[in-house]
Amino acid sequence: QKEVEQNSGPLSVPEGAIASLNCTYSDRVSQSFFWYRQYSGKSPELIMSIYSNGDKEDGRFTAQLNKASQYVSLLIRDSQPSDSATYLCAVRGTSYGKLTFGQGTILTVHP
Amino acid sequence: NAGVMQNPRHLVRRRGQEARLRCSPVKGHSHVYWYRQLPEEGLKFMVYLQKENIIDESGMPKERFSAEFPKEGPSILRIQQVVRGDSAAYFCASSPSITGDETQYFGPGTRLLVL
Repeated sequence: QKEVEQNSGPLSVPEGAIASLNCTYSDRVSQSFFWYRQYSGKSPELIMSIYSNGDKEDGRFTAQLNKASQYVSLLIRDSQPSDSATYLCAVRGTSYGKLTFGQGTILTVHP
Repeated sequence: NAGVMQNPRHLVRRRGQEARLRCSPVKGHSHVYWYRQLPEEGLKFMVYLQKENIIDESGMPKERFSAEFPKEGPSILRIQQVVRGDSAAYFCASSPSITGDETQYFGPGTRLLVL
């Protein structure tokens, strides 16, 4: 079993729709959870971090965390073509420790 | 504020040569991480360093790879006797020293191509 798994892609949504990205992790002691966006040929860019159960909203992005289910998700509302990228879920077990990444989900938003 | 800086951005080496990748963290950040992204694969952790100390090198191949973060100057990832399988994007990330903000900010990466 992979440590961090993301829903298989690619995911294609029409402009204006909600894109839903999912991630599960295997290590129950994980403390911190991150969503990064990576455009082709570029470096990962942080979108959201979440540390507590529940929802965290930032603009069009909402991260959801359920530690009991070992599940974290990212919702992108009003998807735009500029949101087309690979989305990486990352999990960290200890403060300042390494990030363990999922394999990424490719999102395409078509006009 | 300047972000994480990496150089060179692109590096071409022939098999058997050495590759030296440099990373300057965000000013004031004392935690540096190196990750590798092989073609069509996810990011994999390699090593975590603080000034003059290797904290976690569990992701570093046992041979040919080494890393340092000296008291002065950038962090260096060194790959000796490169092989074609070392061709990848190498990303450096840094974190602030202040507890409560442990976000890792990534540099632009160094794309290594081994011929």
